Amino acid sequence: AQSVSQHNHHVILSEAASLELGCNYSYGGTVNLFWYVQYPGQHLQLLLKYFSGDPLVKGIKGFEAEFIKSKFSFNLRKPSVQWSDTAEYFCAVNPSGGSYIPTFGRGTSLIVHP
Amino acid sequence: DTEVTQTPKHLVMGMTNKKSLKCEQHMGHRAMYWYKQKAKKPPELMFVYSYEKLSINESVPSRFSPECPNSSLLNLHLHALQPEDSALYLCASSQVLAGVAEQFFGPGTRLTVL
Repeated sequence: AQSVSQHNHHVILSEAASLELGCNYSYGGTVNLFWYVQYPGQHLQLLLKYFSGDPLVKGIKGFEAEFIKSKFSFNLRKPSVQWSDTAEYFCAVNPSGGSYIPTFGRGTSLIVHP
Repeated sequence: DTEVTQTPKHLVMGMTNKKSLKCEQHMGHRAMYWYKQKAKKPPELMFVYSYEKLSINESVPSRFSPECPNSSLLNLHLHALQPEDSALYLCASSQVLAGVAEQFFGPGTRLTVL
């Protein structure tokens, strides 16, 4: 069974700092990759996704992620965070083929101080 | 229409009550899902319906009873719940196209069991 690791469980930054959240998965085949964000008390929102093509994916709110196949990674980045980026961030992976049911990472809690 | 809707948004119920959560999508997706999410945790898969048939039940207690009346609707019937069942309940739908599947999540129902 595939697994998804998010090594940064809690991240605290000041506004304007750069952000990188790690996501690694264990699955040898073709995968679909997602980052979701959940603001306090709100629902899950899709930040960005990767299916194929250019491994550098741009999403909403200035976020981007890079798929590095050789490292089984899909790290999320933002050059300059804002206080409003305070949220939970979840990486999810589903294998292409099979059930297509995503496996979620445990999440990273980001706090941005103004 | 790329939206999954869920009603109600909030629900408070006693341990002896019977209530239902509703989910609807009009994207023509043939797979629909129920997830349970606790605060700051990733969504946990409960049930999967594929072509209106229950295909996955992740060992969910029988006090949760799913129903898929048609391809657009998904219900979750609740009876004799426990306080630890308080959580955000998320519905999602997906369709596989050319080896790619993306889940579309609804806004969730925030359930409190007293």
